[in-house]
Amino acid sequence: AQSVTQLGSHVSVSEGALVLLRCNYSSSVPPYLFWYVQYPNQGLQLLLKYTSAATLVKGINGFEAEFKKSETSFHLTKPSAHMSDAAEYFCAVSDWTSYDKVIFGPGTSLSVIP
Amino acid sequence: DVKVTQSSRYLVKRTGEKVFLECVQDMDHENMFWYRQDPGLGLRLIYFSYDVKMKEKGDIPEGYSVSREKKERFSLILESASTNQTSMYLCASRDREAESNEQFFGPGTRLTVL
Repeated sequence: AQSVTQLGSHVSVSEGALVLLRCNYSSSVPPYLFWYVQYPNQGLQLLLKYTSAATLVKGINGFEAEFKKSETSFHLTKPSAHMSDAAEYFCAVSDWTSYDKVIFGPGTSLSVIP
Repeated sequence: DVKVTQSSRYLVKRTGEKVFLECVQDMDHENMFWYRQDPGLGLRLIYFSYDVKMKEKGDIPEGYSVSREKKERFSLILESASTNQTSMYLCASRDREAESNEQFFGPGTRLTVL
């Protein structure tokens, strides 16, 4: 079965610093990959998705992620953190062999320090 | 825009009560999902439905049942609520014909079972 790992359950960065949230997946075929964000007391919102069109994917709010097949990674980055980026971030992978389900990682909580 | 709504944002129930969580989507999506979210565990799939009156067990179906009588509505039922079902419950929907596997989420229901 596929799985998703996110290194670091909590990440803290200073305002204006680089944001790097790590995601690795296990898959025998190139999957569809997603990053979702969850702000406090809200549902999940799609940040960006990889669907094999381009390895560097740009999303909302200045975030981007790069698909690296050789490393089975899909790390999320933002050049300059803003206070409003404080949230929970989930990496997810789809598996077409499993009824269109999406498998979520455990999440990374991002704190932004003023 | 796709809109997924959930009947309650916060719910408090007593052990043994029957609990209904309702989810409605307005984009004619075939697929609908129920997840529970717990700290450190990410989202875990309880049940999903790929069409009216069709359902499939997810990874943690024990203690839950579902109902999909109309395409836009997907209900999660806790037949006899227990304290270990205290959690955040998230509903999602998906267009089965979409190229990617993007899911659209509701705001969540935070259920507390006393």
